[in-house]
Amino acid sequence: NAGVIQTPRHKVTGKGQEATLWCEPISGHSAVFWYRQTIVQGLEFLTYFRNQAPIDDSGMPKERFSAQMPNQSHSTLKIQSTQPQDSAVYLCASSFSGTGEQYFGPGTRLTVL
Amino acid sequence: QQKVQQSPESLIVPEGGMASLNCTSSDRNVDYFWWYRQHSGKSPKMLMSIFSNGEKEEGRFTVHLNKASLHTSLHIRDSQPSDSALYLCAASRTGGYKVVFGSGTRLLVSP
Repeated sequence: NAGVIQTPRHKVTGKGQEATLWCEPISGHSAVFWYRQTIVQGLEFLTYFRNQAPIDDSGMPKERFSAQMPNQSHSTLKIQSTQPQDSAVYLCASSFSGTGEQYFGPGTRLTVL
Repeated sequence: QQKVQQSPESLIVPEGGMASLNCTSSDRNVDYFWWYRQHSGKSPKMLMSIFSNGEKEEGRFTVHLNKASLHTSLHIRDSQPSDSALYLCAASRTGGYKVVFGSGTRLLVSP
């Protein structure tokens, strides 16, 4: 089992550009979570899918962030018009069920210049 | 909005000493607590879980849970430098609600 896969591992964008982050959950896991982590804010919940359906997106900044899970094998987080304050490590996690142990991917470090 | 409060924010213990970390949820309906450990530059990894009142021990690690006070604690005995990490407490309720993480306790074990 390869674990949760996230690509790319590092991404550098210019202010105003778009960034798309990819996550492949562990096979058989029904829940996928997206988090953002910075030194200042800590680990922030963004959004959560179960069986590909969006369950809770209360942590998503409404205007520029969007997430999708088109099939059970991958999810994407898209950030439009990236801003320097979007710089963070974006973590994807999956779990067998929504309330079980979460397995985190290695993260994508996004740097917005 | 459920909150998970952790204390202390940071902790330094000598090698071989005992580290005690605390966590409290503001949600009276919370059912599950987890402790995750995150080494520098790595992703969080689940360390221990506890769902029932009482105590659970795994090697050098012991967790306590008091559901009435919504408080859990993690104790690490014979602390090692390799235990230096960010410890995250997480809580959730049944019914498919999201898991809420605390801001963490940064533990440094000094040789």
